Amino acid sequence: SQQGEEDPQALSIQEGENATMNCSYKTSINNLQWYRQNSGRGLVHLILIRSNEREKHSGRLRVTLDTSKKSSSLLITASRAADTASYFCATDGHDMRFGAGTRLTVKP
Amino acid sequence: EAEVAQSPRYKITEKSQAVAFWCDPISGHATLYWYRQILGQGPELLVQFQDESVVDDSQLPKDRFSAERLKGVDSTLKIQPAELGDSAMYLCASSLAGLAYEQYFGPGTRLTVT
Repeated sequence: SQQGEEDPQALSIQEGENATMNCSYKTSINNLQWYRQNSGRGLVHLILIRSNEREKHSGRLRVTLDTSKKSSSLLITASRAADTASYFCATDGHDMRFGAGTRLTVKP
Repeated sequence: EAEVAQSPRYKITEKSQAVAFWCDPISGHATLYWYRQILGQGPELLVQFQDESVVDDSQLPKDRFSAERLKGVDSTLKIQPAELGDSAMYLCASSLAGLAYEQYFGPGTRLTVT
């Protein structure tokens, strides 16, 4: 069973716009991670945020974590066509659980 | 840059046949994971190894699936007999030491059962 739930399921934006994806989870965690998957490929790690952190940045990525609401968000600023991919959150809890993902399409 | 290797990349097999997948993690990574990913869904953990020991195989259909990591390095995932519902992408990942660290994924094996 999957613990993380991403929202929205699909998102379509124009190049240059910002993209925001949300993740909700059910049980307590030690850390939450975001991954990207290009079509038919393996997943690539983007960022890890620990339960005692509230915000983390990496290049054009900004991740927030609200443990009281059991939710996280991933913001991609100034999106590019190459950002087109599926994005997954993963929580550790008892074991690593991935959500169903947000499918992001960035139109040139 | 070190990568996780998987083979084969694609496998077509008939139902009731046996099939095996191989994974070679990044050198020095103690933790190895096998996931199954059905199209349109997120990866589902099948088994997690710490060195040569199984840490979690609660989602592994043990009547037909088996996994081993002899000597704590590379790993093999086997399905016998394969069923139509096993058609999926099988992903291998490794991490330095457990869930507190990022996972590095291989390219996956796309299995089609006919």
